[in-house]
Amino acid sequence: KAGVTQTPRYLIKTRGQQVTLSCSPISGHRSVSWYQQTPGQGLQFLFEYFSETQRNKGNFPGRFSGRQFSNSRSEMNVSTLELGDSALYLCASSVAGGLRETQYFGPGTRLLVL
Amino acid sequence: GESVGLHLPTLSVQEGDNSIINCAYSNSASDYFIWYKQESGKGPQFIIDIRSNMDKRQGQRVTVLLNKTVKHLSLQIAATQPGDSAVYFCAVIDSGTYKYIFGTGTRLKVLA
Repeated sequence: KAGVTQTPRYLIKTRGQQVTLSCSPISGHRSVSWYQQTPGQGLQFLFEYFSETQRNKGNFPGRFSGRQFSNSRSEMNVSTLELGDSALYLCASSVAGGLRETQYFGPGTRLLVL
Repeated sequence: GESVGLHLPTLSVQEGDNSIINCAYSNSASDYFIWYKQESGKGPQFIIDIRSNMDKRQGQRVTVLLNKTVKHLSLQIAATQPGDSAVYFCAVIDSGTYKYIFGTGTRLKVLA
């Protein structure tokens, strides 16, 4: 079974631009969560989608948004990029998003904002 | 809310020795804990989990110990191998927000 895939793997943007990242979960998984990983803060939860609905949200500004499609693929968007948005963005999928379900992570998209 | 801290940012161990990575959490109501391994250029990989009704759980070469009294979690890796070199995270469920809270990670370096 293929793992979680994320595209693109690397991205360089400039301040003020916007970016869209994509995540394809493991086949059969309907829950997708997004995380931001930085050296200082570690992994921080952005949001979780299940059946095309956002079920949970972390403490990030409204510039961070996401969506999920009927095939469970998910995208996240960051508008008006800031230097501090430079990070590794990880998505994780699970069957139904239950708290005690194992989440499977993708390799991440490394975003550099100049 | 919940907070999670790791005791050492870096741990160096000799190949063949046992490794112990520690994690502390703040909320005594937390009831589910996970250890992840993240190798360079990859996403975190599930290693082992433990529920609060257990004190110890063993996997292949790994053991997780949970001390609810002092809110401390540890991951023990037996006979550490070069392939164990990675960053290790603990994650705790915040029972208030139903979110995973991750520690910042301990980098394990295996010395030949």
